[in-house]
Amino acid sequence: DTGVSQDPRHKITKRGQNVTFRCDPISEHNRLYWYRQTLGQGPEFLTYFQNEAQLEKSRLLSDRFSAERPKGSFSTLEIQRTEQGDSAMYLCASSHYSGTASYEQYFGPGTRLTVT
Amino acid sequence: DQQVKQNSPSLSVQEGRISILNCDYTNSMFDYFLWYKKYPAEGPTFLISISSIKDKNEDGRFTVFLNKSAKHLSLHIVPSQPGDSAVYFCAASAGNQFYFGTGTSLTVIP
Repeated sequence: DTGVSQDPRHKITKRGQNVTFRCDPISEHNRLYWYRQTLGQGPEFLTYFQNEAQLEKSRLLSDRFSAERPKGSFSTLEIQRTEQGDSAMYLCASSHYSGTASYEQYFGPGTRLTVT
Repeated sequence: DQQVKQNSPSLSVQEGRISILNCDYTNSMFDYFLWYKKYPAEGPTFLISISSIKDKNEDGRFTVFLNKSAKHLSLHIVPSQPGDSAVYFCAASAGNQFYFGTGTSLTVIP
């Protein structure tokens, strides 16, 4: 297994455009998380999936953001009508959840979004 | 509100000496704590974790200490090596979400 992968690594878009990012988790992991990280901050939770179900969304996640994880494998994060404030590193992480305990998350390399 | 805090944005240590990185948290429901290392242009890399039922966990040069009464954890790196230079994030979880601190940039001076 090559770990968590994300695509694209960099995205430059104009304000108002839509963008979509993809995350491929570690295959045996049932949980997948999306985070946003800005300069000088730690990763901020956006949403997470357990298998294909989206179980929690942060209040940071506005209506312009949507995430999916069809069939419980890869996930996509879409941002509609991008704003300059959306410029950030978008990180995906996966982990195994046993039903009683959480385990460490493994992060992908991130997608750097720049909105001009 | 920041539930996990790293109050030292940076730390410099001589090679071979001990590096001590600190982290404080406010939520007493947190039961699992982790440290991550991050190099520029890469995602965070898992380093070491500790459950709330323990007060110490060791993995090679890395030891994490947990003081639940003080809501404080620390990461000790002994001996420090130049390759340890990175940003270190602590994180905490109560089962579902993980909350991260703002990071401490460690520089190990050869």
